Amino acid sequence: NAGVTQTPKFRILKIGQSMTLQCAQDMNHNYMYWYRQDPGMGLKLIYYSVGAGITDKGEVPNGYNVSRSTTEDFPLRLELAAPSQTSVYFCASSGTGGVMNTEAFFGQGTRLTVV
Amino acid sequence: GQQVMQIPQYQHVQEGEDFTTYCNSSTTLSNIQWYKQRPGGHPVFLIQLVKSGEVKKQKRLTFQFGEAKKNSSLHITATQTTDVGTYFCAGSAGGSYIPTFGRGTSLIVHP
Repeated sequence: NAGVTQTPKFRILKIGQSMTLQCAQDMNHNYMYWYRQDPGMGLKLIYYSVGAGITDKGEVPNGYNVSRSTTEDFPLRLELAAPSQTSVYFCASSGTGGVMNTEAFFGQGTRLTVV
Repeated sequence: GQQVMQIPQYQHVQEGEDFTTYCNSSTTLSNIQWYKQRPGGHPVFLIQLVKSGEVKKQKRLTFQFGEAKKNSSLHITATQTTDVGTYFCAGSAGGSYIPTFGRGTSLIVHP
């Protein structure tokens, strides 16, 4: 099993450019998440999805957009990149089925620098 | 909204010393998870606690969930250099499967 696959691993953007961070999982998980991690600040939830066609904002959604057209894919779109979006981005997924089945699997991360 | 506080932010120990990180929630949790992130890596699931007062052990790691299900701790006995990393707690509440992560505790082990 590949688990959660994120691409790219590294990216440098210029201010004002746009890009899409790709995330795919092969575990048939309903729940998918996007987090950003800044040094010493833990993981902040950007957007999440509880199933195909359903997305919702997390703690820090401004400047980002997501879509969930299939169970497997959950891309994160950055429009008009700003230096404040320099961060490490993690995609994660988890299954459903009750309180015992919420372990999250994380991708390898995307290190984004906006200059 | 739900907040999960984690302390300390950093902890330096000599190899062989014990280490504890604490997690406190502003609301009653339905479950709490612990993750470890090695430097430059991604968070990896360690364990999930569900029951009030639950204690689970994984070799030198002991995880506890408070009686009121508002706090949790991770204790490492006799730390080793392989324990280096950031430990996160993540709590879910109110029937939601969306976990809220603490800021993490970075463990630095000096040989």
